[in-house]
Amino acid sequence: KQEVTQIPAALSVPEGENLVLNCSFTDSAIYNLQWFRQDPGKGLTSLLLIQSSQREQTSGRLNASLDKSSGRSTLYIAASQPGDSATYLCAVLRESQAGTALIFGKGTTLSVSS
Amino acid sequence: EPEVTQTPSHQVTQMGQEVILRCVPISNHLYFYWYRQILGQKVEFLVSFYNNEISEKSEIFDDQFSVERPDGSNFTLKIRSTKLEDSAMYFCASFRGHPNTEAFFGQGTRLTVV
Repeated sequence: KQEVTQIPAALSVPEGENLVLNCSFTDSAIYNLQWFRQDPGKGLTSLLLIQSSQREQTSGRLNASLDKSSGRSTLYIAASQPGDSATYLCAVLRESQAGTALIFGKGTTLSVSS
Repeated sequence: EPEVTQTPSHQVTQMGQEVILRCVPISNHLYFYWYRQILGQKVEFLVSFYNNEISEKSEIFDDQFSVERPDGSNFTLKIRSTKLEDSAMYFCASFRGHPNTEAFFGQGTRLTVV
């Protein structure tokens, strides 16, 4: 059974710091891995999608890496800003004969202070 | 930018009542999903739907739950007899193609069972 774990559960940093969020998954049979942002009481916004054959993706100040064989991904946020404060969720799209579903981690709650 | 729309944003219902949560996926998307998030917990997969039928469902999706796409645009989740533990945020998601495409999530419906 696919399990996704995110470390740390919470992180507080001053504005301007570079930071790394970690995600690990137990089964390497995935189609892709996605990072989402969730603001309190809101929906999920897709940030980056990494295909299983890719090693990294970049969007602005965000860079996500994927090491499928070791079951790990990192989300790097450069020059953090207060507006980056949110919960960041990692999800893997698993392969399955019955179908596919995104399996989520519990998230890392980021707080960036000005 | 196209988006997934969910209504209502918040629903309060008495235990034992039926509720229908509604979603309008992005128009050219083919795969539709329901997820739920109990407060403070992970986002959990409920069911996936493709070509007018369920393609996969989780162990959470028992006989109390049903989905349908009644008119080619709306995608609904029905809970026949709500329980207190059904209180959660319910998210609808759609994929343009499958499997290596980005997931688009709605803003969610917060269901409170009293």
